[in-house]
Amino acid sequence: EDQVTQSPEALRLQEGESSSLNCSYTVSGLRGLFWYRQDPGKGPEFLFTLYSAGEEKEKERLKATLTKKESFLHITAPKPEDSATYLCAVQAWNYGGATNKLIFGTGTLLAVQP
Amino acid sequence: SAVISQKPSRDICQRGTSLTIQCQVDSQVTMMFWYRQQPGQSLTLIATANQGSEATYESGFVIDKFPISRPNLTFSTLTVSNMSPEDSSIYLCSVLRAPNYEQYFGPGTRLTVT
Repeated sequence: EDQVTQSPEALRLQEGESSSLNCSYTVSGLRGLFWYRQDPGKGPEFLFTLYSAGEEKEKERLKATLTKKESFLHITAPKPEDSATYLCAVQAWNYGGATNKLIFGTGTLLAVQP
Repeated sequence: SAVISQKPSRDICQRGTSLTIQCQVDSQVTMMFWYRQQPGQSLTLIATANQGSEATYESGFVIDKFPISRPNLTFSTLTVSNMSPEDSSIYLCSVLRAPNYEQYFGPGTRLTVT
């Protein structure tokens, strides 16, 4: 069964204190791994897609990396406005071909204190 | 990306009634999806809304409970029928953007059933 596990569930950082969020996945075949940011009361905001092991993508203070078993979202020198829930999701290949279904983890709630 | 709107943004409904949620996209898209986000849980795909054909439902979700319409390439509705308190959740529509299979989400509809 395809599965996504995120850790930690919650993370509190001081402004400027860099850290990483983890997303471990088990899929029959990875089509893509997605990172989203979700603010309270809003829908998920797309951040990155990663397709193959070794791939990296960056956006401002965020950098996402991918291995064959997990992905990391590195946050460098975070600011209070980076506080949000970060969601990881995977798309899998199956025997019928590609599926567009996203399988989500439960997210990491990040709080950055000034 | 895509500009996606949902109506209503929130509602409080009585047990046994039905609510129809609308999703409007600013440009034509081939694939639209409906997800549910229950309190403290990850997003779960309800169904894929196919233009010109019946929706494709995920395991655990049935058409009688969650009928979906997709009259054109920019609009879809999800109805939550015969509601119970267990249906209290956030309902989100998303759209697929080619060629990278990225999914973009609407702001969500927060439903409370009393």
